[in-house]
Amino acid sequence: DGGITQSPKYLFRKEGQNVTLSCEQNLNHDAMYWYRQDPGQGLRLIYYSQIVNDFQKGDIAEGYSVSREKKESFPLTVTSAQKNPTAFYLCASSISAVSSYNEQFFGPGTRLTVL
Amino acid sequence: KQEVTQIPAALSVPEGENLVLNCSFTDSAIYNLQWFRQDPGKGLTSLLLIQSSQREQTSGRLNASLDKSSGRSTLYIAASQPGDSATYLCAVPSLRGGGADGLTFGKGTHLIIQP
Repeated sequence: DGGITQSPKYLFRKEGQNVTLSCEQNLNHDAMYWYRQDPGQGLRLIYYSQIVNDFQKGDIAEGYSVSREKKESFPLTVTSAQKNPTAFYLCASSISAVSSYNEQFFGPGTRLTVL
Repeated sequence: KQEVTQIPAALSVPEGENLVLNCSFTDSAIYNLQWFRQDPGKGLTSLLLIQSSQREQTSGRLNASLDKSSGRSTLYIAASQPGDSATYLCAVPSLRGGGADGLTFGKGTHLIIQP
């Protein structure tokens, strides 16, 4: 089955810890994205990557880091510098980041809770 | 900066009714608009993508229209069913740096179909 997988489904973090959320896709898509969703708010873009070894900050990149070493994988690290990390994190991909072709497909999400 | 608004925020209707969800955006220079469905605690499912050159797009009981000049889109759901209960989100490209950078989302319409 082609699709996007995220792991883990639930993640608990202690204050001061860094944690990494996994996102893998087997759709052969060039572009990948990370969004954050908070109750009562729309999704907000954290980082995106148009191609391997390249990524750009979105609207709320502070306290997060990413890497794109392989086309299939785009892990997100939530660092201790992120002051309010409790949220639902969604990974997405699209064939290309060029707007004409950027129908985005989403993974099932990871719910991160800070203890 | 692109902003997306969805009205109403919540809607509850009896099964079998036809209904319309509204989405408006502030910058009409978009390449496309995408409608998603989100079930509680789940990721987003892409329903329809309308290119800027199109006026309508249909998938089963769903019909989405786009009026770029007025900055509006509607999602029409025919003969609603309890299984249609979910949150519906619309999104447009963020238009940062030529548009190749992710989506700007509305806060969604929470739809309940009463059996």
